[in-house]
Amino acid sequence: GDSVTQTEGQVALSEEDFLTIHCNYSASGYPTLFWYVQYPGEGPQLLFRASRDKEKGSSRGFEATYDKGTTSFHLRKASVQESDSAVYYCALRSTEGADRLTFGKGTQLIIQP
Amino acid sequence: NAGVIQTPRHKVTGKGQEATLWCEPISGHSAVFWYRQTIVQGLEFLTYFRNQAPIDDSGMPKERFSAQMPNQSHSTLKIQSTQPQDSAVYLCASSFTGGRYFGPGTRLTVL
Repeated sequence: GDSVTQTEGQVALSEEDFLTIHCNYSASGYPTLFWYVQYPGEGPQLLFRASRDKEKGSSRGFEATYDKGTTSFHLRKASVQESDSAVYYCALRSTEGADRLTFGKGTQLIIQP
Repeated sequence: NAGVIQTPRHKVTGKGQEATLWCEPISGHSAVFWYRQTIVQGLEFLTYFRNQAPIDDSGMPKERFSAQMPNQSHSTLKIQSTQPQDSAVYLCASSFTGGRYFGPGTRLTVL
């Protein structure tokens, strides 16, 4: 079945550091890939998505590039801010299945001022 | 646009009691999804409806859990005979073109 693996359970950085959160997936065909962000007391909200190989998604300074060769969709940001502290989820929607999303376990990002 | 509304925001039940969680999707959205969120398991898909019809309930525990969507403006998730392991945040999401819009969730605590 489909799966999403986020390597880091927690990432702690200082403001203006460079961020990378790793996401690898397993699915047949060309799934659509997503990054969601969840702030305390709220539901996850979509950051951006990508549906084709080499397509780059971006929002609020975050970006990720769909790489079918390495089955990856790593989240990056050049300079994090304290307000970026949240939980980040990578997810996929299979091209073969119904309209359900498979989520990774999430990565908690802690930014120290 | 008020977004997806979930009530109650917090619910505490005793072991063996019933819990009903409510979701009001965004007006005009044709799909409603239920997820369960725990620290250990993360976000787990439970079930979803499209145009009020149940489409996929493969994530629902076969016993004690049921979901309904009697009209386009609300869906319910019912847990009978709640157990401590049911403690989680239950998230509802609605969708029109594929992207999910999540509600704030209902935190269920079973004592």
